[in-house]
Amino acid sequence: GAGVSQSPRYKVTKRGQDVALRCDPISGHVSLYWYRQALGQGPEFLTYFNYEAQQDKSGLPNDRFSAERPEGSISTLTIQRTEQRDSAMYRCASSFGRDTQYFGPGTRLTVL
Amino acid sequence: SQQGEEDPQALSIQEGENATMNCSYKTSINNLQWYRQNSGRGLVHLILIRSNEREKHSGRLRVTLDTSKKSSSLLITASRAADTASYFCATAPLSGSARQLTFGSGTQLTVLP
Repeated sequence: GAGVSQSPRYKVTKRGQDVALRCDPISGHVSLYWYRQALGQGPEFLTYFNYEAQQDKSGLPNDRFSAERPEGSISTLTIQRTEQRDSAMYRCASSFGRDTQYFGPGTRLTVL
Repeated sequence: SQQGEEDPQALSIQEGENATMNCSYKTSINNLQWYRQNSGRGLVHLILIRSNEREKHSGRLRVTLDTSKKSSSLLITASRAADTASYFCATAPLSGSARQLTFGSGTQLTVLP
């Protein structure tokens, strides 16, 4: 079956622009997670959803970052007024329960 | 913040040798997972071990968990060039509704043909 998909795979934007990153989880997975990964580091948690409810957003670095999952399936991570320090790989994962999280290919964001 | 610390940071071995990577963590966990990341590609789940398990096998992989020492090890036997990748441990919290994984910085494994 299809895995987690993310789009776009690459995004280059200018400082100050807003970006929206999309995640399509594995069908039937209740939980959806967003992580950010800097080069040479492991992923760091941003936020997660159970169904459409945002359960934890403690990892979002500031109020320029937001996420939604309005119908409990596809999720969008939005970064407003992007800054160069936002450049990173943004990864989405989904899981059925508390166990294995399956990751998508990621979106490489570059802010010029 | 990174909870897990992998050791070593980098490991280079010959094809056919075994590779051992270690992970230490700080807080109580529900489970610990190992992931592989090939250069420039996605994270692939390898194996999950629960806090009440001590050892688990999957193919050429063997994972151990010592909750008293808050440490885990990943052994890859009879390594192949295709095993070249970064390996990350990730811990799932024990308590409450928190489900996010906390990753270490990874071990870069290079298997030489």
